[in-house]
Amino acid sequence: NAGVTQTPKFRVLKTGQSMTLLCAQDMNHEYMYWYRQDPGMGLRLIHYSVGEGTTAKGEVPDGYNVSRLKKQNFLLGLESAAPSQTSVYFCASRSRGTGVGTDTQYFGPGTRLTVL
Amino acid sequence: AQTVTQSQPEMSVQEAETVTLSCTYDTSENNYYLFWYKQPPSRQMILVIRQEAYKQQNATENRFSVNFQKAAKSFSLKISDSQLGDTAMYFCAAENSGGSNYKLTFGKGTLLTVNP
Repeated sequence: NAGVTQTPKFRVLKTGQSMTLLCAQDMNHEYMYWYRQDPGMGLRLIHYSVGEGTTAKGEVPDGYNVSRLKKQNFLLGLESAAPSQTSVYFCASRSRGTGVGTDTQYFGPGTRLTVL
Repeated sequence: AQTVTQSQPEMSVQEAETVTLSCTYDTSENNYYLFWYKQPPSRQMILVIRQEAYKQQNATENRFSVNFQKAAKSFSLKISDSQLGDTAMYFCAAENSGGSNYKLTFGKGTLLTVNP
């Protein structure tokens, strides 16, 4: 059981380049989330999905797009990267439930992205 | 909208002593969960402890316990017998469980250093 995995772990982009971050989970979770973590800011929600084929905006969605074509995958895209998008990106997943073992978000290891 | 406030950016404690990290939150929801996550230098987000708002009993996980004061909207984390491996960033988070998206709102974190 790999849990939540993220690809790649590190990436350096030039301003204006595009890229896609891949999140995969093998726990059959319905819910998936993308966060960014900046120094002194905690984690902030970018986009999330409540099921295959659905996406919704979080707190800081500008400059990002997402897709959930398969239940186990959640993609985060940057169409035209900007230095302000330099951050550490975390993916998380959660099952639909409110009991012990089902009410927790499980996080991937993170992707460190630098935009020059 | 929920807000989570951690008023202590940094704290330190001697090995084997006890330390308490503070967290306050604001929510208009009746059903919610509260969490403490640990982020060591490896960057991995690790769940430390969770509390269901409708339960009056404070949650405990080995050396970690919480003081949940619902009326005061306070959710502090107590670490007993601190160990060097407890050195990490600690995030308090709140989840609105009454809705259909289970989004987490994080505080900005407290950097805890355990000194030998």
